[in-house]
Amino acid sequence: GAVVSQHPSWVICKSGTSVKIECRSLDFQATTMFWYRQFPKQSLMLMATSNEGSKATYEQGVEKDKFLINHASLTLSTLTVTSAHPEDSSFYICSARRGSDYYEQYFGPGTRLTVT
Amino acid sequence: GQNIDQPTEMTATEGAIVQINCTYQTSGFNGLFWYQQHAGEAPTFLSYNVLDGLEEKGRFSSFLSRSKGYSYLLLKELQMKDSASYLCAVLDSNYQLIWGAGTKLIIKP
Repeated sequence: GAVVSQHPSWVICKSGTSVKIECRSLDFQATTMFWYRQFPKQSLMLMATSNEGSKATYEQGVEKDKFLINHASLTLSTLTVTSAHPEDSSFYICSARRGSDYYEQYFGPGTRLTVT
Repeated sequence: GQNIDQPTEMTATEGAIVQINCTYQTSGFNGLFWYQQHAGEAPTFLSYNVLDGLEEKGRFSSFLSRSKGYSYLLLKELQMKDSASYLCAVLDSNYQLIWGAGTKLIIKP
C-alpha cells in the first residue's frame, strides 16, 4: 500500500501559459500533501504543505499567486504553475502523509516541467 | 537555523563497502530518514531511525547517535545500480522534513 501517482510525468509548455500537475494517493487517504521542487544536482526544496480542505502553507520565497495549490479531497492535490517562465522549469515532486502516520511521507514519481 | 550536512560526492568500487555520513542540527527531532534517488526519479525510502543504534536491512544499514547529531548509511557489496544520490532528512519538532543536499555516490567497476 501507500502508492502516490503524479500526472503528467513530463510536460512542455510555452512561456506565459499555465500548467496543472495532479498528485493522487491511490490506496490511502492523505491528510497532508507536500509539494517539492528540485533543480538539477540540488536537493529537494519544499514549496508548500497542504491539508485537505484548507489553504496551503507556503514556504518563504514561494509565490502563492504563482504556484496555486488545491487539496480538494483526501486523495487529490493539484499544483498549478501560472504564467510559467523558463526559470520555472524543474522537477516537481509531491508526497503524501496518511492519517496519524506522522513520520513517513510517500513520494510520487515526479513531474518534469520544461517551459520554452 | 536548521542544518543538515553530508558530503557532496563519494566514489567507491563495485563489491566494496561505503559509509555516507550525515550530521544535523535541527529544532527538535522526530527521526532521521535516508532516501535513495536515481537521476530523474523521485526519492525512494531506505531507512528510518528514531532511536540510537544500528538498523540493518539487507545490504544497507543505518546508524543514529542523537547525542552527537550524527547518522551514517552503510552500503555493503556495492553494485553498479547503487550509483545514485543518497538524501539524509530529519523530521523536526513540527514533523517537517528537513533535507540535506544529498550525496552523489559513483560506483566504479
